[in-house]
Amino acid sequence: GAGVSQSPSNKVTEKGKDVELRCDPISGHTALYWYRQSLGQGLEFLIYFQGNSAPDKSGLPSDRFSAERTGGSVSTLTIQRTQQEDSAVYLCASSPSGRATGELFFGEGSRLTVL
Amino acid sequence: GDSVTQMEGPVTLSEEAFLTINCTYTATGYPSLFWYVQYPGEGLQLLLKATKADDKGSNKGFEATYRKETTSFHLEKGSVQVSDSAVYFCALSSLQGAQKLVFGQGTRLTINP
Repeated sequence: GAGVSQSPSNKVTEKGKDVELRCDPISGHTALYWYRQSLGQGLEFLIYFQGNSAPDKSGLPSDRFSAERTGGSVSTLTIQRTQQEDSAVYLCASSPSGRATGELFFGEGSRLTVL
Repeated sequence: GDSVTQMEGPVTLSEEAFLTINCTYTATGYPSLFWYVQYPGEGLQLLLKATKADDKGSNKGFEATYRKETTSFHLEKGSVQVSDSAVYFCALSSLQGAQKLVFGQGTRLTINP
């Protein structure tokens, strides 16, 4: 398993419930990104980690969204009190460093459906 | 802020046709430019990139040239194959704040045999 791993691959939840999405980046990659892909939309940036700190959280849509990264590795994106507009594919990517002139390696995403 | 605008899809072509997918950008400074591809059932992967003006990125028969004067990075391929069917995303590296990629909305390409 050398690639970026995300879980769950699919999640169906009821409006108002909390969900957690997990990302396991490529070993040794210091930078980690979360993006959201809504139907018919491009990739919307959510948050960027360098190590365990998040220098850029500017894309988080509301205070219901939060993310953390521990041990410079696994990251969890948490959505509280989910709403139907949160339905999307949540993509995680990692890179060897934080320089965006390099390549990002993406996972296959977690598809979230809020009923 | 930085942004990327892509040709709207979906695009449907016959095998061996010539492909162009337009991409223009707005950015401060001179960002790096990328094309990513998402094949059915797979994650996004880098197709090609260019880091400065007039550079040409190429891979798998695809090419794109970084045009500063027209702020464009159009994707081209001379003869497409069925296996090229995928969603293509143009992106730039934002130089504002922490480094991240800004993506266009994606163009779905279908190649018919």
